[in-house]
Amino acid sequence: DAGITQSPRHKVTETGTPVTLRCHQTENHRYMYWYRQDPGHGLRLIHYSYGVKDTDKGEVSDGYSVSRSKTEDFLLTLESATSSQTSVYFCAISEVIAGDDEQFFGPGTRLTVL
Amino acid sequence: ELKVEQNPLFLSMQEGKNYTIYCNYSTTSDRLYWYRQDPGKSLESLFVLLSNGAVKQEGRLMASLDTKARLSTLHITAAVHDLSATYFCAVLVSTGNQFYFGTGTSLTVIP
Repeated sequence: DAGITQSPRHKVTETGTPVTLRCHQTENHRYMYWYRQDPGHGLRLIHYSYGVKDTDKGEVSDGYSVSRSKTEDFLLTLESATSSQTSVYFCAISEVIAGDDEQFFGPGTRLTVL
Repeated sequence: ELKVEQNPLFLSMQEGKNYTIYCNYSTTSDRLYWYRQDPGKSLESLFVLLSNGAVKQEGRLMASLDTKARLSTLHITAAVHDLSATYFCAVLVSTGNQFYFGTGTSLTVIP
């Protein structure tokens, strides 16, 4: 499982409240990613990081911010949650195996915004 | 805008039958990935295809890549119930090391 954990695993919150999801990895991977998964859309990239304090936007970054103050943790924040952000959120890392990039996923966080 | 399209989106097939899932993508990429996801679970890597003409096989699944046509296929041979899952393809865009996913194919194998 590439040593990836996510917390919380489930969360129910109300519209307008801030929410932070945490992704933690234990193997010093440089690249980390946040995706959301919704029916009919597959996985869509929210933000990614290529090192401590180095982050960039993905295709669905509006309403989300991220921070990476140390290698092992990548935080995703919803500043003011909306019902459209109800989704399953996956964190991932990419790792070079035998010279090739491979991506491995955390267990996911199911977020419900009421 | 980069697009990764899979078809079919839903597939119901009988045990023992063969079928192919298609993945078309709109960008230049020579790295194509296939993943499997069981209901309520995370994604599991199946195949990494790295060059034109690449073919990989694992059990009843075989994946191939045609970079000129920007097409990858996942062929299922003699399906069994345990293959029921959602299958995703993804392409790697080297700029930013970003992965773009297809919408997924939900496969149900009926006894």
